[in-house]
Amino acid sequence: QVQLVQSGAEVKKPGASVKVSCKASGYTFTSYYMHWVRQAPGQGLEWMGIINPSGGSTSYAQKFQGRVTMTRDTSTSTVYMELSSLRSEDTAVYYCARNFGATVRFDIWGQGTMVTVSS
Amino acid sequence: DIQMTQSPSSLSASVGDRVTITCQASQDISNYLNWYQQKPGKAPKLLIYDASNLETGVPSRFSGSGSGTDFTFTISSLQPEDIATYYCQQYDNLPQTFGQGTKLEIK
Repeated sequence: QVQLVQSGAEVKKPGASVKVSCKASGYTFTSYYMHWVRQAPGQGLEWMGIINPSGGSTSYAQKFQGRVTMTRDTSTSTVYMELSSLRSEDTAVYYCARNFGATVRFDIWGQGTMVTVSS
Repeated sequence: DIQMTQSPSSLSASVGDRVTITCQASQDISNYLNWYQQKPGKAPKLLIYDASNLETGVPSRFSGSGSGTDFTFTISSLQPEDIATYYCQQYDNLPQTFGQGTKLEIK
């Protein structure tokens, strides 16, 4: 079945970087854009950016420009989100979400990866 | 960025009740709006896309309407499994933005 499986929880110190993976299965990986969304504890949803798994092009929310990098590996059907210069405010669950079709709709989500930033 | 304002922020209703949540955009977003349901500890789930289209497999008691700046999400007859937080999302402009969420509880 169609699914996105993310890497496990991470604990990082302030100033470090984290790289979260999202492995797709059950569909043609290069046919659907992928988004990253995060959710701080007890808070709402925040869109971080999008990657085209086919060509690798990306678009990031201005808030994360310069700190986030989204990449993909077509050989393993995996997308990655790396966030650098971590601070405590980056503590959140990070989700990948597939974009279905020509419109914007996140039809399949990963299970989420908890990233904790603490000294 | 486009601001999305949901109301109410929390809601308590009884099984069988009709429940309505509103979402207001800070500018005209046409019908570029989705609704998601999120249960505790789980990823969000798409319910409604393009303001009024029901996602495949989603029960027909869920519906959405509206265009421009004002949108409505309705559960026609609340079921116990509908207890969750609901979010609207605009995608007219980047960055896509979400409402702050409406937490729905059973009375």
